[in-house]
Amino acid sequence: AQSVTQLGSHVSVSEGALVLLRCNYSSSVPPYLFWYVQYPNQGLQLLLKYTSAATLVKGINGFEAEFKKSETSFHLTKPSAHMSDAAEYFCAVSEGTGRRALTFGSGTRLQVQP
Amino acid sequence: NAGVTQTPKFQVLKTGQSMTLQCAQDMNHNSMYWYRQDPGMGLRLIYYSASEGTTDKGEVPNGYNVSRLNKREFSLRLESAAPSQTSVYFCASSERGLAERPDTQYFGPGTRLTVL
Repeated sequence: AQSVTQLGSHVSVSEGALVLLRCNYSSSVPPYLFWYVQYPNQGLQLLLKYTSAATLVKGINGFEAEFKKSETSFHLTKPSAHMSDAAEYFCAVSEGTGRRALTFGSGTRLQVQP
Repeated sequence: NAGVTQTPKFQVLKTGQSMTLQCAQDMNHNSMYWYRQDPGMGLRLIYYSASEGTTDKGEVPNGYNVSRLNKREFSLRLESAAPSQTSVYFCASSERGLAERPDTQYFGPGTRLTVL
């Protein structure tokens, strides 16, 4: 069965600092991995996804994530945080074997300090 | 192009009352989903519909029923609401049905439900 662990329910960074949000997955088959962002009182929107092409995936708003099979990780990074990045971020995994649903992690709330 | 819309945005129910959450998408997507979001637990799948006329249980289906009315609409019904069903409910859709490769899910803005 697939599962996702997000380390750190809350992360706080200063504006301009590096953002690193951690995600580890468990999957019995090569996974498809996603990062979604949720701004306050809104639905989720896709940041980026890994579907077995390039291991370094670039997304919207300057975010990127690297798939590391040996570490079963898919950490999200951004070189320089902006105040508008404050939101909740969810990592999700799909095993891609016919069930289209995603298994979500518990989320990481990112706070950006001025 | 409104994407995924949900009604209502907010709802307060008393224990034992029933209600239906409505969801519609205008992207001609085949698959639709209902999730619930609870603090510290991420999103959990309640039911999904891979194509018009089919529905399947997800991770937490107890206490819920669904109807895929047509390709556009997928409703979630609570027959007898309980306080444990207090949550934020999200509907989502994706283009492909039971295809080989999973694709992006598009989410509605959510319904915040409180059961007293």
